Amino acid sequence: GENVEQHPSTLSVQEGDSAVIKCTYSDSASNYFPWYKQELGKRPQLIIDIRSNVGEKKDQRIAVTLNKTAKHFSLHITETQPEDSAVYFCAASIRGRDDKIIFGKGTRLHILP
Amino acid sequence: DAGVIQSPRHEVTEMGQEVTLRCKPISGHDYLFWYRQTMMRGLELLIYFNNNVPIDDSGMPEDRFSAKMPNASFSTLKIQPSEPRDSAVYFCASSAQEWSTEAFFGQGTRLTVV
Repeated sequence: GENVEQHPSTLSVQEGDSAVIKCTYSDSASNYFPWYKQELGKRPQLIIDIRSNVGEKKDQRIAVTLNKTAKHFSLHITETQPEDSAVYFCAASIRGRDDKIIFGKGTRLHILP
Repeated sequence: DAGVIQSPRHEVTEMGQEVTLRCKPISGHDYLFWYRQTMMRGLELLIYFNNNVPIDDSGMPEDRFSAKMPNASFSTLKIQPSEPRDSAVYFCASSAQEWSTEAFFGQGTRLTVV
């Protein structure tokens, strides 16, 4: 079955700098890659997603890139702010086949003042 | 819609007791997922349903865990008997069949087995 690896497990960046979180997936049939943000004590919430027919997608300060050949995808956060501190999860899914969503283990992002 | 609703929010129980977690998905959603979150293992998919039918329960840890979805608006995850290693946050999530919809999570149930 699908396996999603996520790195790093913890990341600390200075406020204003960029943060990058990387994920790999194992099933080449995966075609949908959402990213979720989970603030302390809260539920995970979708922040951005990308489909396999797209190489990059941006939404204000966040962007995702996908390399289907290498089965890598990444989350980029620019101009980081204190409210970006949270746990971020990448995930992979095969929409239109089994549709189950498999998550990476998460990255705890700390924004340092 | 109030979103995905889980109950209880917190549950403390003694080892060996039966625990039942409840979930009400968003109306009209076709999929319902049960996840377990721990520091060590992150968000693990336990089981998921499509139109009330269990599709994949390969993530259920062992026979002590069972899940049902008797109708489109209700699902339960039961642990019997419970053990301390079952302590975790259990999330329910739902999504629709269409490509464009995301999976929405409930607030989670924090289970502590002592």
